[in-house]
Amino acid sequence: DVKVTQSSRYLVKRTGEKVFLECVQDMDHENMFWYRQDPGLGLRLIYFSYDVKMKEKGDIPEGYSVSREKKERFSLILESASTNQTSMYLCASRPEQGASSPLHFGNGTRLTVT
Amino acid sequence: AQSVSQHNHHVILSEAASLELGCNYSYGGTVNLFWYVQYPGQHLQLLLKYFSGDPLVKGIKGFEAEFIKSKFSFNLRKPSVQWSDTAEYFCAVNSGGGADGLTFGKGTHLIIQP
Repeated sequence: DVKVTQSSRYLVKRTGEKVFLECVQDMDHENMFWYRQDPGLGLRLIYFSYDVKMKEKGDIPEGYSVSREKKERFSLILESASTNQTSMYLCASRPEQGASSPLHFGNGTRLTVT
Repeated sequence: AQSVSQHNHHVILSEAASLELGCNYSYGGTVNLFWYVQYPGQHLQLLLKYFSGDPLVKGIKGFEAEFIKSKFSFNLRKPSVQWSDTAEYFCAVNSGGGADGLTFGKGTHLIIQP
């Protein structure tokens, strides 16, 4: 069974801090994704990565960056955290078979920026 | 750009009632369609998916969905719900040929009263 692990379940950070959210998957998947989930807004795609060192902007990339130095690890970076980035962040992965393959999600990191 | 519309944000049903959750998408080309479920405190799980073939697809836990291309719809159904179906349900879509992420609807919060 695919396991997508997000390193923190809860995080509290101050405005202006640099924040790293880590995600690791154990199934050698090529594609990895970062979403944020907000009540009433569903899931919105921040960034995704086709493969190591590759990244693509999603629908709401502003204020975020990502890093994919190793295939199994995909990091989301908040360069200077702001209160409007308080949210649940979900990481997902998918094999390279393409768009018909489902995403496998981690448990999420609930980030609060004060 | 694709968009997904879920008609009901909150649904309350009694046990044994029949369920239908609406989902419409905007993309006109070949699509892959998914329903995900998020039980309280758990990660998103795939309920079912459609990418080709029989437009009536069956998923886990007695759920099914019907793809109606002419209506751009992919409604989720279950003939008799249980208390354990209380969860948030998300419809999602991506284009058939691409390798990008999923576009999600805003979710439907389903509460089943015993």
